[in-house]
Amino acid sequence: EDQVTQSPEALRLQEGESSSLNCSYTVSGLRGLFWYRQDPGKGPEFLFTLYSAGEEKEKERLKATLTKKESFLHITAPKPEDSATYLCAVQAGTSGSARQLTFGSGTQLTVLP
Amino acid sequence: EAQVTQNPRYLITVTGKKLTVTCSQNMNHEYMSWYRQDPGLGLRQIYYSMNVEVTDKGDVPEGYKVSRKEKRNFPLILESPSPNQTSLYFCASSYLQGGDEAFFGQGTRLTVV
Repeated sequence: EDQVTQSPEALRLQEGESSSLNCSYTVSGLRGLFWYRQDPGKGPEFLFTLYSAGEEKEKERLKATLTKKESFLHITAPKPEDSATYLCAVQAGTSGSARQLTFGSGTQLTVLP
Repeated sequence: EAQVTQNPRYLITVTGKKLTVTCSQNMNHEYMSWYRQDPGLGLRQIYYSMNVEVTDKGDVPEGYKVSRKEKRNFPLILESPSPNQTSLYFCASSYLQGGDEAFFGQGTRLTVV
């Protein structure tokens, strides 16, 4: 059974204080690992897809990295508008549920001004 | 604008009264799915569809039905809702081949009393 564990559950940072969110996973043949951002009362918004160990992707103050067992979402010099819940999800390479995503419970990030 | 539209956004109903939550996407995506989101449990897949007239169970299908008569629409049906179905529901869509990004609707907050 595919499993995704995110830590910490909640994180409070001062504006400009860089940090990292962790996503550890177990999956039968990783097809892709996804990061989403979710604002209160809204649906998840796609950020990144990572496909293989060693891959990195960046978008503004966010950088996602992937190893064989975990992914990190690095936030550099965060701003209050980066406050949100960040979700990690994996997609298995098996053909049965072609696009099923298994989600972690998320990390709720609060950036204080 | 590419989007997934769910209706209603909020719904309060009584136990046993049949209801339908609609979902429509304008991106010609083959794959559509329904998730429920509960505190501490993350997003869990209820049902998915790989194309018209092709549907299958996700991780938590009990008490739900779906249909896919048209490519753009994927309604979620609760024939006899119970209080344990009180949750935040999201519809999502993506291409079956090629790009992996899943687009999510804004969510439907359902309360069953």
